[in-house]
Amino acid sequence: AAGVIQSPRHLIKEKRETATLKCYPIPRHDTVYWYQQGPGQDPQFLISFYEKMQSDKGSIPDRFSAQQFSDYHSELNMSSLELGDSALYFCASSLVGSEQFFGPGTRLTVL
Amino acid sequence: KNEVEQSPQNLTAQEGEFITINCSYSVGISALHWLQQHPGGGIVSLFMLSSGKKKHGRLIATINIQEKHSSLHITASHPRDSAVYICASGGGADGLTFGKGTHLIIQP
Repeated sequence: AAGVIQSPRHLIKEKRETATLKCYPIPRHDTVYWYQQGPGQDPQFLISFYEKMQSDKGSIPDRFSAQQFSDYHSELNMSSLELGDSALYFCASSLVGSEQFFGPGTRLTVL
Repeated sequence: KNEVEQSPQNLTAQEGEFITINCSYSVGISALHWLQQHPGGGIVSLFMLSSGKKKHGRLIATINIQEKHSSLHITASHPRDSAVYICASGGGADGLTFGKGTHLIIQP
């Protein structure tokens, strides 16, 4: 069965650079979620989209933005990267109100 | 804002033991999720509950809406069950609010 795809799986950036993370949800899923998990921490919700519209917003910094495209894939854009942005970024997808399926994550390292 | 608390934070048990992990939350929710995270980092959804009880193989999850409490049980535990188990609240298109997780180690 198809799973959530995230790319890239690993990304290394310098401080003040920008990064774009991509998420391809399970086909026919209408909701995408983004989460950030810092080293040794529990995941934190960033933002979600339902049917290509922003649905819920969590602790997403102003330096980050996200969108969901017509083919339902989503991108998380991160600018002016800081050392503290180093984390595992998960995307999840679901049918709205149902179980969330998580992607393998993108490990971002900011040097 | 919903607060989700789990106990215990760490649990070490012998293979075959019955395991219970508890989760409590502060405000009414539409759904409670149990997730499993392995050392490699991947997160797998185990259960999504809004009432009653669910069972998948050796895993059982229960929820008491009135008491705002849920439990995850593992019967006949095995070393491959070693992982972090996370309780999270959330429903609809809202993001999940995660508990701190329970680090479970099952020794052979």
